[in-house]
Parts: sequence; C-alpha cells; structure tokens
Amino acid sequence: KNEVEQSPQNLTAQEGEFITINCSYSVGISALHWLQQHPGGGIVSLFMLSSGKKKHGRLIATINIQEKHSSLHITASHPRDSAVYICAVGETSGSRLTFGEGTQLTVNP
Amino acid sequence: EAQVTQNPRYLITVTGKKLTVTCSQNMNHEYMSWYRQDPGLGLRQIYYSMNVEVTDKGDVPEGYKVSRKEKRNFPLILESPSPNQTSLYFCASSFRTGYDYTFGSGTRLTVV
Repeated sequence: KNEVEQSPQNLTAQEGEFITINCSYSVGISALHWLQQHPGGGIVSLFMLSSGKKKHGRLIATINIQEKHSSLHITASHPRDSAVYICAVGETSGSRLTFGEGTQLTVNP
Repeated sequence: EAQVTQNPRYLITVTGKKLTVTCSQNMNHEYMSWYRQDPGLGLRQIYYSMNVEVTDKGDVPEGYKVSRKEKRNFPLILESPSPNQTSLYFCASSFRTGYDYTFGSGTRLTVV
C-alpha cells in the first residue's frame, strides 16, 4: 500500500463544475502539499497546510489530521485548470517528501 | 524573480558518459532536493540537502551523486548513466523543511 494515495486517478469535468480530488496518507506528517503540473511539465506549489483549510481564488484545500485525509476543491472549473494535481506529504522528520501518483484533470469547454 | 533554475532542459546521452544536471536557486533557501518522475511511479526523491555540506539519500539514490558546496547550487551527477535513468528530473528548494517548495522547470534525460 502506498503511503500517499490519491483518488480519482483521472477526472473529466465540464466547465463550471465543482471538482474534488482526495488524498489519504498513512504516515505522520508535518505538512501536506498540493501541487499542480501542467502539460509542459513544470510543477507549481498550490497549497501547504498542516491543519484546517486554505483558499486561493477558486481553489480550496482542507485537511483532517485525525482522519489523515485532505481534499482539493476547484469551484467553477475552467479548461485552464486541466493539469495533473499531486498530493505530497512532508514526514514528521521533515526531511522527506512523499508523493501521490497524481490526478489527471481534464475540464472540457 | 525568485526561481529555481535547472539546466539543461533536455539531454540525450549515451550509456556510461558522465553528466551533470545543474540546479541553482536565488532565494537563500536552506533545503534543496532532487526528484525523478516516471510514468506509473510518480515523483520519487533522489537526494536532499538540509544546508551547505549536508546531504542525504532519498528513496532512489543508486547511480546518483550530489554536492552542496554553496547554498545556491545543488548539482545532480550521474557518473555512469544507464538507460534506467531515463526520466524527468526536478530540483526543488524550500526555506527550510516544513515550508513551501519552489520547483525547477525540469530536465528530461534520455540515456541510450
């Protein structure tokens, strides 16, 4: 079993839909990161959170430390949101970052 | 502009020919790390550095070397590349562990 599991692996949505991507982890963490990777390959950090909820524009990230679960929500999705979204956890020791396999999101116009 | 710069972006090389992928950051970050990304396996950590002259192995260090002589630079060295090192490589930095990460643009390496 992977230490970080994401679901779904692939997600296709229509423009305007509300999207949720889930991440579950099995290790003790200091922080959880949500990353975005566009088709060109570059990786951008969206959120880093260790508790509660963060919002940036149409993106919302939540984490439940007790349940070892995080969600990334996209409201009013747009074709430019099409990308791979990756969940990564920083372990308690702080030196290691472990990644989920990513969720490929496609938003159709 | 705050950034992590990797070079080269693309590289095709032959088995056994030593190569270096450079990584430089201009944010005075203490923590730097290298990852490889492969289809079906996701991103995996190769090596990391907590500060100058401090490096340690990640999950997949075999066949790679690193050095951290200066705070801004963290080169990845493949002494004798093999085809199984064909991959997309990313360098990243962070102020310290537990802080946000900035990633380089990636280096697509093909070893034939």
